[in-house]
Amino acid sequence: QKEVEQDPGPLSVPEGAIVSLNCTYSNSAFQYFMWYRQYSRKGPELLMYTYSSGNKEDGRFTAQVDKSSKYISLFIRDSQPSDSATYLCAMSASGTYKYIFGTGTRLKVLA
Amino acid sequence: DTAVSQTPKYLVTQMGNDKSIKCEQNLGHDTMYWYKQDSKKFLKIMFSYNNKELIINETVPNRFSPKSPDKAHLNLHINSLELGDSAVYFCASSNRQGNYGYTFGSGTRLTVV
Repeated sequence: QKEVEQDPGPLSVPEGAIVSLNCTYSNSAFQYFMWYRQYSRKGPELLMYTYSSGNKEDGRFTAQVDKSSKYISLFIRDSQPSDSATYLCAMSASGTYKYIFGTGTRLKVLA
Repeated sequence: DTAVSQTPKYLVTQMGNDKSIKCEQNLGHDTMYWYKQDSKKFLKIMFSYNNKELIINETVPNRFSPKSPDKAHLNLHINSLELGDSAVYFCASSNRQGNYGYTFGSGTRLTVV
């Protein structure tokens, strides 16, 4: 079993839809959680980071962490064609200097 | 203006050759990383340096040798290239533990033929 699991997709949604992207993990020591967006042939760019449990909102993006279920989510409201990309979750335990990435979910937002 | 820059962007080379990839960051970060992304988009850490000191060295063949001359630069030298080394290599930087996220370069696409 991988430490971080993520559905590879592709996930296709119509423009304006609410998108839910998810990751599960097995290591209960993970405390730092991040979401990256990667466009084709580009480097990943950081969207959101959270520490421990709870929600964090930034514009159209909301990140949720449920440590009891070892489950994190990224919600995208009012999705746009420009949101079409691969979304990667990443997580780390305190003091390890190392983030473990999920394999990414490919999202297509159809105009 | 580029925050993390890698050169070259593309590298096509024959098996058995030795090649280097260079990375520089101007963000004032003290930690730098090399990640490998395979054809299935899986990002796996290879090495990390904090203030020129190696702090992460994953199970990577010793044909791969990182070098950090200062905290703004991290290079990757690969000896005796193999077909399986074909991938995209990303450099990244962060503050000490990366708790506020990494800034990635745009990647070096290595193809070994």
